[in-house]
Amino acid sequence: EAGVAQSPRYKIIEKRQSVAFWCNPISGHATLYWYQQILGQGPKLLIQFQNNGVVDDSQLPKDRFSAERLKGVDSTLKIQPAKLEDSAVYLCASSFNRGYNEQFFGPGTRLTVL
Amino acid sequence: EDKVVQSPLSLVVHEGDTVTLNCSYEVTNFRSLLWYKQEKKAPTFLFMLTSSGIEKKSGRLSSILDKKELSSILNITATQTGDSAIYLCAVRQNSGTYKYIFGTGTRLKVLA
Repeated sequence: EAGVAQSPRYKIIEKRQSVAFWCNPISGHATLYWYQQILGQGPKLLIQFQNNGVVDDSQLPKDRFSAERLKGVDSTLKIQPAKLEDSAVYLCASSFNRGYNEQFFGPGTRLTVL
Repeated sequence: EDKVVQSPLSLVVHEGDTVTLNCSYEVTNFRSLLWYKQEKKAPTFLFMLTSSGIEKKSGRLSSILDKKELSSILNITATQTGDSAIYLCAVRQNSGTYKYIFGTGTRLKVLA
């Protein structure tokens, strides 16, 4: 079974630039999560999708962050414009359904904002 | 505010030592507590605990939940250098979005 795929693995940008991350969850998984993990901290949920609908985006900074999962499969997370404090690892995870306990994480994208 | 607190923040031990990592939580509508191991980037699942007092074991790792004390411990016996990682504790809520709330993690380094 293929795991959660993410790209790119690394990205370096300057502040005020835009960046986009892509995630392809495990086939058949209805629930998709985007987390932000700042160095020295645990993952913080940014947004949770159930199929192509948003279930929770309460911690997403909506003035600069946006995410979509149009066909209920893969997803993109965008930051526009980036700030220095957005430097972090962005993790995508998926689970079969939101009632299931186990979520599977992708390798993450390390973003550095200069 | 819901929160998960882990201690210690970091730990350095020698191979063969036994370590105990702590996780305490204040989370509304508790569903389960999960432990993850994070090497490099992607966390990998270790244990899920839902019932108090029942120990989960996998090789040299074991974990137990105390719902009265709102806490859990993760034990690693006979540590090896390959156990060096960040260990994350997460609590899942049992309502609404079934959200996971993560602690800051414990960074474990095992020296040869």
